[in-house]
Amino acid sequence: DGGITQSPKYLFRKEGQNVTLSCEQNLNHDAMYWYRQDPGQGLRLIYYSQIVNDFQKGDIAEGYSVSREKKESFPLTVTSAQKNPTAFYLCASSIEGQGYNEQFFGPGTRLTVL
Amino acid sequence: AQSVTQLGSHVSVSEGALVLLRCNYSSSVPPYLFWYVQYPNQGLQLLLKYTTGATLVKGINGFEAEFKKSETSFHLTKPSAHMSDAAEYFCAVSDGNTGGFKTIFGAGTRLFVKA
Repeated sequence: DGGITQSPKYLFRKEGQNVTLSCEQNLNHDAMYWYRQDPGQGLRLIYYSQIVNDFQKGDIAEGYSVSREKKESFPLTVTSAQKNPTAFYLCASSIEGQGYNEQFFGPGTRLTVL
Repeated sequence: AQSVTQLGSHVSVSEGALVLLRCNYSSSVPPYLFWYVQYPNQGLQLLLKYTTGATLVKGINGFEAEFKKSETSFHLTKPSAHMSDAAEYFCAVSDGNTGGFKTIFGAGTRLFVKA
């Protein structure tokens, strides 16, 4: 079955540590996205990528980094510079980065900073 | 700039009653509109979308929404609520100028269904 996988489902981090969240898709989609979800705030865009080896900052990119070395993979690193990283992180993809294309979401990773 | 407002962070209905979740948007160009559903600790799933053409859009699980340009609204309805409809619902807007990476999501409405 085609879809998006995210791992791990739950992640605990100590302050000052960098952590990497995995996102893989086998839908052959060109565009991929990372969102952060906090209660009552909807989804906020962290980074997006329309093609391999290219990505752009979203609305809240500070303290995060990404790479897009393969079409199927778009890992997100939460660095120690991110002041409040505890949140639910969602990865998504779409056929292209066009406005009429719906996004397909992974199951999410819940990150907690101890 | 685009924006989305979902009226009511929580909506409670009885099983079998009408479900109405409100969404108003602002966009300077013709919008593309979406409703997504999220069950606890899961990702979002598309319910329905409006791009062009018929303004009444039917989606999965018996949901539908009507695009009303004059009211800048895209309210989600279902004639008869089921217990399995309890979830959080997100309205989203994007446009042809800025692309999918500028999809703006509303804050969400949590639907409770009472037996």
